[in-house]
Amino acid sequence: DAGVIQSPRHEVTEMGQEVTLRCKPISGHNSLFWYRQTMMRGLELLIYFNNNVPIDDSGMPEDRFSAKMPNASFSTLKIQPSEPRDSAVYFCASSLWSGLFRLAADGSQYFGPGTRLTVL
Amino acid sequence: RKEVEQDPGPFNVPEGATVAFNCTYSNSASQSFFWYRQDCRKEPKLLMSVYSSGNEDGRFTAQLNRASQYISLLIRDSKLSDSATYLCVAILSGTYKYIFGTGTRLKVLA
Repeated sequence: DAGVIQSPRHEVTEMGQEVTLRCKPISGHNSLFWYRQTMMRGLELLIYFNNNVPIDDSGMPEDRFSAKMPNASFSTLKIQPSEPRDSAVYFCASSLWSGLFRLAADGSQYFGPGTRLTVL
Repeated sequence: RKEVEQDPGPFNVPEGATVAFNCTYSNSASQSFFWYRQDCRKEPKLLMSVYSSGNEDGRFTAQLNRASQYISLLIRDSKLSDSATYLCVAILSGTYKYIFGTGTRLKVLA
């Protein structure tokens, strides 16, 4: 399996620009998670989906952030407009659940390589 | 209080030493636990799951103490390549949410 795929790997943009991060989860996984990591705040959960439905977006910092999962193999995280404080590494991760809140035998979470975002 | 807490370290140990990390979780309904490893500028990667009876994988041993609400990771015969940040993870029962600790940094010295 190719693992979780994220693009782009690096993004440098100017304040005010729109940024779109992309994620392809592991085939067959039914949950997808977006995280942000900085030195100051560590790993923060932004939003997660189960069966393509957003379950908890309480970690999304503000309305400038939005996420979609139009199908089981693709998700986007959009920041519009971007600000310098959004600079961080954004990780996508996926996992498999066998039922309602029931973790599959291998229910560990697999991370993509991350997108390193710099907003100038 | 954070849901999952870890000592940030760093733990500086010589090669060959045994080192142990603890992690405490606040929600007694947490159902599953993991240890992840994260190298500098890389993504977190699963090190091992933590089972109620304790489990071992080579030089690594993980234990769960539900009564005291902590999990531990023991690394025997430390290698230079073990230098990394170790993240403790708990899943809240009734959610699909993985709660990560802030990590414990380990440096194994030659």
